[in-house]
Amino acid sequence: KAGVTQTPRYLIKTRGQQVTLSCSPISGHRSVSWYQQTPGQGLQFLFEYFSETQRNKGNFPGRFSGRQFSNSRSEMNVSTLELGDSALYLCASKGGNTEAFFGQGTRLTVV
Amino acid sequence: GESVGLHLPTLSVQEGDNSIINCAYSNSASDYFIWYKQESGKGPQFIIDIRSNMDKRQGQRVTVLLNKTVKHLSLQIAATQPGDSAVYFCAENIKDSSYKLIFGSGTRLLVRP
Repeated sequence: KAGVTQTPRYLIKTRGQQVTLSCSPISGHRSVSWYQQTPGQGLQFLFEYFSETQRNKGNFPGRFSGRQFSNSRSEMNVSTLELGDSALYLCASKGGNTEAFFGQGTRLTVV
Repeated sequence: GESVGLHLPTLSVQEGDNSIINCAYSNSASDYFIWYKQESGKGPQFIIDIRSNMDKRQGQRVTVLLNKTVKHLSLQIAATQPGDSAVYFCAENIKDSSYKLIFGSGTRLLVRP
């Protein structure tokens, strides 16, 4: 059974640019959530999608957005990148009666 | 590359000893608690979970204890091995219609050979 796949693994962007990250959940899982991990703030919840609907959103500015497609794949977008957006972005996939499984993350560096 | 905090509390144990990692959670409404292990360059990996109607749950070499009175969670690892070296996070989920984990700050476990 394939795990959670996040692409790309590494990304370098310039301040002011935008970026789109992708997450393919485990087959059959309908819940996809996103987390930001930084040394200073730790792991912080960004948002959760279920059946193409955002069910919950963390305390992040509107520059952070996401969506989920009918096949449960999800993307998150960050616009007008700032240096402080440099982080490991993690996606978690969850089935009905399972724990959340995390992908390996996308390491975003903003220069 | 390094994927977790640089100034985490660190627990150093001798190989073969038992390890106890502690965590305080914040929300009385949380009904589900999970321990994750994160190795460098990887995403968090599920270890064990416990629901709020339980006090203790055991897995293979791991035990989680939940004390709701003082909002405290602990992870016990028996016969700690070098492969257990990682950062360990507790996480809580508040009971509502969505799935949102609130993570603790993490503890780095170092196993001395």
